[in-house]
Amino acid sequence: AQTVTQSQPEMSVQEAETVTLSCTYDTSESNYYLFWYKQPPSRQMILVIRQEAYKQQNATENRFSVNFQKAAKSFSLKISDSQLGDTAMYFCAFIQKGGGADGLTFGKGTHLIIQP
Amino acid sequence: SQTIHQWPATLVQPVGSPLSLECTVEGTSNPNLYWYRQAAGRGLQLLFYSVGIGQISSEVPQNLSASRPQDRQFILSSKKLLLSDSGFYLCAWSVESRQPQHFGDGTRLSIL
Repeated sequence: AQTVTQSQPEMSVQEAETVTLSCTYDTSESNYYLFWYKQPPSRQMILVIRQEAYKQQNATENRFSVNFQKAAKSFSLKISDSQLGDTAMYFCAFIQKGGGADGLTFGKGTHLIIQP
Repeated sequence: SQTIHQWPATLVQPVGSPLSLECTVEGTSNPNLYWYRQAAGRGLQLLFYSVGIGQISSEVPQNLSASRPQDRQFILSSKKLLLSDSGFYLCAWSVESRQPQHFGDGTRLSIL
């Protein structure tokens, strides 16, 4: 079974700083997708960024980028020029591309607080 | 554009009462549909998913059931709620399997 581990329950940084959230996963699959979701206090789950395992190039979406290390099974999220609106729970998620349950496996999340 | 609606937003129910949470998707056809539960301080756990009308797959043994009576409608039900059913329930959809999933606003269910 796949597992996703987020080792930082909470992080706090000053506005405009850069912050990196860590995520590791365990799978025997070679083809899969990885995602970062953001859950602000409103509780809505918002897709931030995704990475396909067969692509070596790290995904980037504006201020959000990932460092995907497939051999190490690591998928960290970097937020540049952090803003107050980035305060939220961030969840790393995995889905395998092959057979099996068609659902996301989530980590337990990291609570990111951006201080003014 | 596609939208997903989930209701009610909050629900307080006594132990032993029935449950019905509804989720509908607009702007797409034959979506994959999902129900997740988020316990306090935890990530999301997949409960059910559906790739078509009447096709339901269950991921964990539980007190809940799901149905898909129409293409874009997904219902989460229980005949008798337990205290352990409390949590935050999220519905999601994707265009097909293994693609990014898009979530509704969730239902906070409290069992008394």
